[in-house]
Amino acid sequence: GIQVEQSPPDLILQEGANSTLRCNFSDSVNNLQWFHQNPWGQLINLFYIPSGTKQNGRLSATTVATERYSLLYISSSQTTDSGVYFCATGTASKLTFGTGTRLQVTL
Amino acid sequence: DAGVIQSPRHEVTEMGQEVTLRCKPISGHNSLFWYRQTMMRGLELLIYFNNNVPIDDSGMPEDRFSAKMPNASFSTLKIQPSEPRDSAVYFCASKAGGTREQYFGPGTRLTVT
Repeated sequence: GIQVEQSPPDLILQEGANSTLRCNFSDSVNNLQWFHQNPWGQLINLFYIPSGTKQNGRLSATTVATERYSLLYISSSQTTDSGVYFCATGTASKLTFGTGTRLQVTL
Repeated sequence: DAGVIQSPRHEVTEMGQEVTLRCKPISGHNSLFWYRQTMMRGLELLIYFNNNVPIDDSGMPEDRFSAKMPNASFSTLKIQPSEPRDSAVYFCASKAGGTREQYFGPGTRLTVT
């Protein structure tokens, strides 16, 4: 099956700092999604980005499908950005999730 | 519009008891997914339905687990009998036809003692 690796596993930032999260996947598939799991456990869709670049406020994502990686950028981080960020890829109906990057934003 | 609804949010039960988790997908979505999240194994797909029909249940861990979708607005995941190793957060997600984004419910935290 598809292997999905995320780095770094843990990240501590001071409020206002920028960060880049990486997702590597073993097979080229036309489906890449980023999720944020907040401290209350809710999984929230951030981006569906099989290729190219998208931006939503302080967050943006880039996927280079031919090189099998995706990046999530968080700019001017806020404490509400804390939680675990997952990437997931696969077919239209079978997603394989990475192990996540745990982000803590401190004051 | 309401998101995916799951109940109960928390369930504590004793080993050997039957557990039923419930999910109402987003109205108009025709695919429904059950996931399990544990510290050891992360997020795993258990089973998914398309138009109320189970398509792939290869992720269901054992015969103790079963899932049904009697209509487009309701699904259940049943564990009988439950065991302590079933303790996890169980998520339900749904997806509209022709799209790829899955939308997750708040999850059910199951503790089996």
